[in-house]
Parts: sequence; structure tokens; C-alpha cells
Amino acid sequence: EAGVAQSPRYKIIEKRQSVAFWCNPISGHATLYWYQQILGQGPKLLIQFQNNGVVDDSQLPKDRFSAERLKGVDSTLKIQPAKLEDSAVYLCASSLNLVGHRGEQYFGPGTRLTVT
Amino acid sequence: GQQLNQSPQSMFIQEGEDVSMNCTSSSIFNTWLWYKQDPGEGPVLLIALYKAGELTSNGRLTAQFGITRKDSFLNISASIPSDVGIYFCAGSSNTGNQFYFGTGTSLTVIP
Repeated sequence: EAGVAQSPRYKIIEKRQSVAFWCNPISGHATLYWYQQILGQGPKLLIQFQNNGVVDDSQLPKDRFSAERLKGVDSTLKIQPAKLEDSAVYLCASSLNLVGHRGEQYFGPGTRLTVT
Repeated sequence: GQQLNQSPQSMFIQEGEDVSMNCTSSSIFNTWLWYKQDPGEGPVLLIALYKAGELTSNGRLTAQFGITRKDSFLNISASIPSDVGIYFCAGSSNTGNQFYFGTGTSLTVIP
């Protein structure tokens, strides 16, 4: 079974530029998550989708971050404009999330963003 | 958002030694997950726990769901060099399946 795919793996941009990340979850997984992981810390949830609807985006800085999952499969996360403090690894995860399933999340390799 | 406290923050051990780490929360959780993250990679799921008191093993790894439901423990027996990495706990109250992650325990195994 293929895992969670993310691209690009690395991205370097200047502050105030825009950037987009792409995620393809494990086939059949209804729930998709985007996390931000700052160096030395655990992942912090940015947004959670159930199919193509948003379940939780309470920690998403909506003035500059946006995410969509139009067809309930792939997802994109965008930052516009980027700030220096956005430098982090952006992780995508997915889970099956059917009734009776326990919700284990499986992560992609992440995109390492450096803002200069 | 809530962050879980993991201890110790880092460990340096000799190959062959056993390792113990724990994770505590101020909230009650119904699910605990343990992950290992290698440099430049995403976290990999090691063990999932669903019931207070539950003890689950995965090879040399054993994890326990604390009786209070506010903590969890991970043990690694007979450590080997490939155990090096950062270990994260994650807990969920199952409300929307949101998981909160710990601060991580960095493990170094000296051959």
C-alpha cells in the first residue's frame, strides 16, 4: 500500500513570497491533516479535513495560510505571503476514520520550508 | 493548542541498554499513539493504545496506556543503533480525532 505522498520535499523562498505544498493521502483515507513542525518541537495541527470539508482549522493563521481539498482526495496548503517564522517542516497525514476505526494517522515525508 | 509533556527530553545510552520514556497530559485521552521520527522524514507509527491499562508490544517496543488516562509510557529493550531518533507521543480524546503531540524524546544509542 502506497503511503502519504508530499511534494516538494524542500523549498526555499524569500519572505513575502508565496508557496504551495501538495499532499496525496493513502487511498481510501477520508481524513487528511496538515501539521506544522518547527525544529525541536512536536507537530502542531493546522487544519483537518473530513473528505472535502473542514473539521478543524482553529490553529490555521487564516490571514496568510489557506488549504483546500476539493475532491476529497489530494490537498494543497498555501502560504501567502510567507514570513520568516513560517520556516518549518509541513507534514501531511491521513487516517481511515471510519466508524469503529481508531483514527491512527500516517504521515508523509514532509516539506521542509526555509524562508529567508 | 494543547501540548503534551514528554520526558526525558533526551537520552544517551549504550547499545544493549533498555530505554524508558513517558508522556503526560493535563487532559484525559482515549487513544495514545507513539511515533518515531528520523531526520528529514515524517513520523512513523510504532504503537497504538486504546484502553486504560492496556499494554501493547511491537518487537522490542512496549507501550502502556496509563490507568489515569493522562499518561503513557514507552519502553525499548536491548537498544540498537537504528533506534536512534526522536520519539513522539500523541493523544486524542476522540473528539473529531484530533491528536495532540508531545515535545519529543531524542534518543542516541552509542555503539
